[in-house]
Amino acid sequence: EDQVTQSPEALRLQEGESSSLNCSYTVSGLRGLFWYRQDPGKGPEFLFTLYSAGEEKEKERLKATLTKKESFLHITAPKPEDSATYLCAVQAGSSASKIIFGSGTRLSIRP
Amino acid sequence: ETGVTQTPRHLVMGMTNKKSLKCEQHLGHNAMYWYKQSAKKPLELMFVYNFKEQTENNSVPSRFSPECPNSSHLFLHLHTLQPEDSALYLCASSQEGIGQAYEQYFGPGTRLTVT
Repeated sequence: EDQVTQSPEALRLQEGESSSLNCSYTVSGLRGLFWYRQDPGKGPEFLFTLYSAGEEKEKERLKATLTKKESFLHITAPKPEDSATYLCAVQAGSSASKIIFGSGTRLSIRP
Repeated sequence: ETGVTQTPRHLVMGMTNKKSLKCEQHLGHNAMYWYKQSAKKPLELMFVYNFKEQTENNSVPSRFSPECPNSSHLFLHLHTLQPEDSALYLCASSQEGIGQAYEQYFGPGTRLTVT
């Protein structure tokens, strides 16, 4: 069964304290893995797409990496404005219906 | 207007009411989606439209009825809902192509409360 699992469920960090969020997946025929950021009361905001193992992408303090079984979202020297829920999703096969989201990691950065 | 817009932002309805949610995308995409987001649960894909044709209906109850009159507009018609249908309903759009994964762009959502 296709599955996406994110950990931890919640993470509290001090400003400047780097860490990583994990997204483990089991799908057949991975087409792409997506990271989104969601602020309270808003829709998810697209961050990255990763297509194949070994691929990495960066944006400001965020860096996403991908292996054959999992993806990491590394946050370097986070600031309070990085506080949000980070969602991982995978698309398997060629159909848009095979998009599976994880439950998200709720990140809180203390000043 | 830019991106993906949704109206209304908040909706309270009784179980016997009929209401509609509206979504509009200004990104030139050809695929649109409805998602349900409940507390403590992952986003649930409800419907997919590709080039105005419904391609997927992920076992959604018939009290939810989608409509896609063109590639820029998407509606979700609601009738005789249950309290457990209370959730945030998100609309999204993307490019769509066989064999290629495209990121989705989401609207702000409609917070629905069924009383």
